[in-house]
Formats: sequence, C-alpha cells, structure tokens
Amino acid sequence: DARVTQTPRHKVTEMGQEVTMRCQPILGHNTVFWYRQTMMQGLELLAYFRNRAPLDDSGMPKDRFSAEMPDATLATLKIQPSEPRDSAVYFCASGLVASGGELFFGEGSRLTVL
Amino acid sequence: GESVGLHLPTLSVQEGDNSIINCAYSNSASDYFIWYKQESGKGPQFIIDIRSNMDKRQGQRVTVLLNKTVKHLSLQIAATQPGDSAVYFCAEYRRTGKLIFGQGTELSVKP
Repeated sequence: DARVTQTPRHKVTEMGQEVTMRCQPILGHNTVFWYRQTMMQGLELLAYFRNRAPLDDSGMPKDRFSAEMPDATLATLKIQPSEPRDSAVYFCASGLVASGGELFFGEGSRLTVL
Repeated sequence: GESVGLHLPTLSVQEGDNSIINCAYSNSASDYFIWYKQESGKGPQFIIDIRSNMDKRQGQRVTVLLNKTVKHLSLQIAATQPGDSAVYFCAEYRRTGKLIFGQGTELSVKP
C-alpha cells in the first residue's frame, strides 16, 4: 500500500531551536509539495519540486525556512530558528506531473514551538 | 493575491440528504479544479477533479459543476452518509504546477 511517510508525527520544541521535518514520497512520483495548515490560514503552499528541482518556494519565509530534496526518496523542510508562529501541521504530498493536481498527502507533522 | 475561496465555513445536513458545497475562484488561467476531503487528524484526500474546458463531471456519489462565467465551482454529494463528515477543500491547479487550496467547508452529517 503506497503512501507518503512523514516524520516526526509530533514535535514540541522551544523557540530558537532548529526543526527538520522529513518526507518520503511515493516511489515513482516526480512532484513533491510542502504545505502548512493552521486554523487561521488554512492550507498554505510553502514549496514544491518537480523531478527534485525546486520550482517555487515563494510561500516560505526565506530567512528561516529551507526545503530540499537530497534524493528522490527524501524531501526535507527545515526551520532555523523556529518561532511560536511556526506552530502548525506541516503536510508533504507527492504526485505525478501527468496527474496534475491529484496529490497524495502524508499524515502531517504537528509542530509546536513554545 | 489570487485565491480560491469558499462561500460557507460550515454545512450541516441530514443523513441521506444531498449536500452542496460551493467555491469561488478568481484566477481564470487554471488548467483545472480539484476537490479534496480532509478527515480529522489526516491529510487531505483527492476526491475528483474537473478540467477547465468541462462544466460537469460525475464520480461515485459526487458531481462537480464548473461555471466559468461566474467563476464558481460546486461539489454535490448524493445521499450523504456519516462517513462524509469532513472538511472539504476546493483547489486550483495552475499551469505553473502550483496547487492552491481554498479555506475549506466543514460538512457535518446528522444521523
């Protein structure tokens, strides 16, 4: 049963600490998206990749957020330093270019920054 | 900036009734539109999509209607069941490859 795997599922950290979230896309998928979900802002697109190349990361605060795909099986989202306003659920999703907007989402990483 | 928005934040229906969830969009240059369902504690799940050159598409118990004249999208769920209770998002797939989500409508199904 192919699925997107995200770690950690839950993370509580203190302001100023570095946070790294990881995502394993579905094998064979060539697009990867990172979203942040909060009650106030809904699902915000942070960054997305096609064939491991970043296409757009305009949704991310550049000074503290970074997203990478070291290889086809791993996508990372890093926050350094973290702030309380970064508290949210972060979702990774993968898909195929040919399938357009049909994405498969992971279960999310719930981040709490104290 | 451009957005995809929803008319109502919550919708409550009786089990067995039909549900209609609405969505307005502002970007005319999109390839197609998608509906996602998000259950509590889970990631969004694809339901159905519709290309911008279509005005109606049907799936299993769901129908999506697209009115490009007024930039309006709707999701109709027939014979709504308790398992349909969730938050529903419309999303807009742009030619750049971006998928932009609307704010979401929470559907509650009363037994």
